[in-house]
Amino acid sequence: DAGVIQSPRHEVTEMGQEVTLRCKPISGHDYLFWYRQTMMRGLELLIYFNNNVPIDDSGMPEDRFSAKMPNASFSTLKIQPSEPRDSAVYFCASSLAADTQYFGPGTRLTVL
Amino acid sequence: GENVEQHPSTLSVQEGDSAVIKCTYSDSASNYFPWYKQELGKRPQLIIDIRSNVGEKKDQRIAVTLNKTAKHFSLHITETQPEDSAVYFCAARNSWGKFQFGAGTQVVVTP
Repeated sequence: DAGVIQSPRHEVTEMGQEVTLRCKPISGHDYLFWYRQTMMRGLELLIYFNNNVPIDDSGMPEDRFSAKMPNASFSTLKIQPSEPRDSAVYFCASSLAADTQYFGPGTRLTVL
Repeated sequence: GENVEQHPSTLSVQEGDSAVIKCTYSDSASNYFPWYKQELGKRPQLIIDIRSNVGEKKDQRIAVTLNKTAKHFSLHITETQPEDSAVYFCAARNSWGKFQFGAGTQVVVTP
């Protein structure tokens, strides 16, 4: 298995631009999690899905952030408009029955 | 909601010594407690986990203990080696499947 796949691996954009991060979970996994990691705030859970349905989005910082999971093999996290404080590493993780989470390689986002 | 506290935030140990990291959680319904190791620039990777029906689990030089009454769990690394240097995260999962992570412990093993 290829593991959790994320794209792009690095993204540099200017303030105000739309950013879309993508994730392909491990085949067969029914849970998908989006995390943000910064030095100041550590590893924060943004939102998670079960069977493509959002279960808890209380960690999504603002309305500028949105996430979708149109099918079991794909999810997106969108930031519109982006701001410099959104700069972070964004991880996607998937699991089977909310058990062991497997993390993707992450997307390093820099907003100038 | 669930709150996980992790201590210490940094830990420096001499090679060959033991390292202990402690976490406490608030939700008594939490039932699964994984530990992740994250090397610089890499993704968090699971190193060991424990479930609420077990008090202790060991895997070679790594062990985890769980005290459900006190709501705390600990990671023990024995005979530390330089390659153990990393950030370690504890986590707790509630009955809804939501994970809460600790703030992380930077472990430095000096030769």
